[in-house]
Amino acid sequence: GQNIDQPTEMTATEGAIVQINCTYQTSGFNGLFWYQQHAGEAPTFLSYNVLDGLEEKGRFSSFLSRSKGYSYLLLKELQMKDSASYLCAVRPRTDKLIFGTGTRLQVFP
Amino acid sequence: GAGVSQSPSNKVTEKGKDVELRCDPISGHTALYWYRQSLGQGLEFLIYFQGNSAPDKSGLPSDRFSAERTGGSVSTLTIQRTQQEDSAVYLCASSSGPGYEQYFGPGTRLTVT
Repeated sequence: GQNIDQPTEMTATEGAIVQINCTYQTSGFNGLFWYQQHAGEAPTFLSYNVLDGLEEKGRFSSFLSRSKGYSYLLLKELQMKDSASYLCAVRPRTDKLIFGTGTRLQVFP
Repeated sequence: GAGVSQSPSNKVTEKGKDVELRCDPISGHTALYWYRQSLGQGLEFLIYFQGNSAPDKSGLPSDRFSAERTGGSVSTLTIQRTQQEDSAVYLCASSSGPGYEQYFGPGTRLTVT
């Protein structure tokens, strides 16, 4: 079966660093995506990993270990606008994505 | 340019009625996806269209659900004889091809009373 796990909720302080973990067990692996979703809005693409290692994009970085079935999204210099849900999604074989339930991040001043 | 658009933004319907949800993908995008998001749940894949290939319907929850994509552009998701458990946000996404990032529309919030 397909299973993607991530914490339900996290809190952090403005200016801090937060790491959101995602573990997956899927029948096949062809890439892992992170999306950001503000309440009532569509998900927006953040990052994509298909090879092991760290991908950095500004304040956001994403890491992948295929052997461990593990990824994390690292958010630096947190801002209030980063309060949102962060969705981990795996593409097993074909192009459809399997999503986790999302991690709701609340940033406090 | 314009992003993915969906209509209606909200739909309230009575149990047993049929509904049609529309998606206009980004112009030139060959791949189109439908997902649904129930309260407290992750996005659930429904169906995927790529060019002229047969769609991947593996995520459709029952035969009450069907989707079409006309002319390789606009798509319509139809739910027949709606049930209360069909209440969810239905999201459409498109991409420029297999393996490229998916751009999501704002969704249609469906409420079945």
